Amino acid sequence: GAVVSQHPSWVICKSGTSVKIECRSLDFQATTMFWYRQFPKQSLMLMATSNEGSKATYEQGVEKDKFLINHASLTLSTLTVTSAHPEDSSFYICSAISQRETFGELFFGEGSRLTVL
Amino acid sequence: SQQGEEDPQALSIQEGENATMNCSYKTSINNLQWYRQNSGRGLVHLILIRSNEREKHSGRLRVTLDTSKKSSSLLITASRAADTASYFCATRKVTSGSRLTFGEGTQLTVNP
Repeated sequence: GAVVSQHPSWVICKSGTSVKIECRSLDFQATTMFWYRQFPKQSLMLMATSNEGSKATYEQGVEKDKFLINHASLTLSTLTVTSAHPEDSSFYICSAISQRETFGELFFGEGSRLTVL
Repeated sequence: SQQGEEDPQALSIQEGENATMNCSYKTSINNLQWYRQNSGRGLVHLILIRSNEREKHSGRLRVTLDTSKKSSSLLITASRAADTASYFCATRKVTSGSRLTFGEGTQLTVNP
């Protein structure tokens, strides 16, 4: 199946710093990628939809200035957590949908665990 | 409440037994998908069932969809310890384009 690479898999940072997480589709082109946040033992919460070449669409309650999303190419989307605080600590997961089957399955990265001290 | 609610929230069975998880949703859908997540990992797609389909099989997995009741079930037959994971249903609503809405998940534990 299609592969989505997410990096880094874990990161620890100090409060106030910014952290960038990358999501790459390795063997397919993805016009749309999604970013989720997941708390322990909970479901995935959709943060934003990232479309190649256009601004991301954020879900209600998600601060777009806090969580910057860039989708510069058909294979790469990045999420930057700006001025991170301990409450931003979470598991962030990206997923991508193939350009050829926009109503098909999502391909997920392995997630990035962010810990803000 | 969130579209895509699974029950039970947690299920513990012995190896060899069957596991059944249910999912309910509220609005019209294009398709419904089931995903599996091992602890601390990303999600893996298991099966997709379209709104005009009633049942689908994949190996030891069987998914049913009842659009009149807005519900789906995932059956794992002859479970193995390696099936221990969280299972999520996800719906693609008619009005949501390619977005998926995930349910709360069922934590399945298969005891050896």
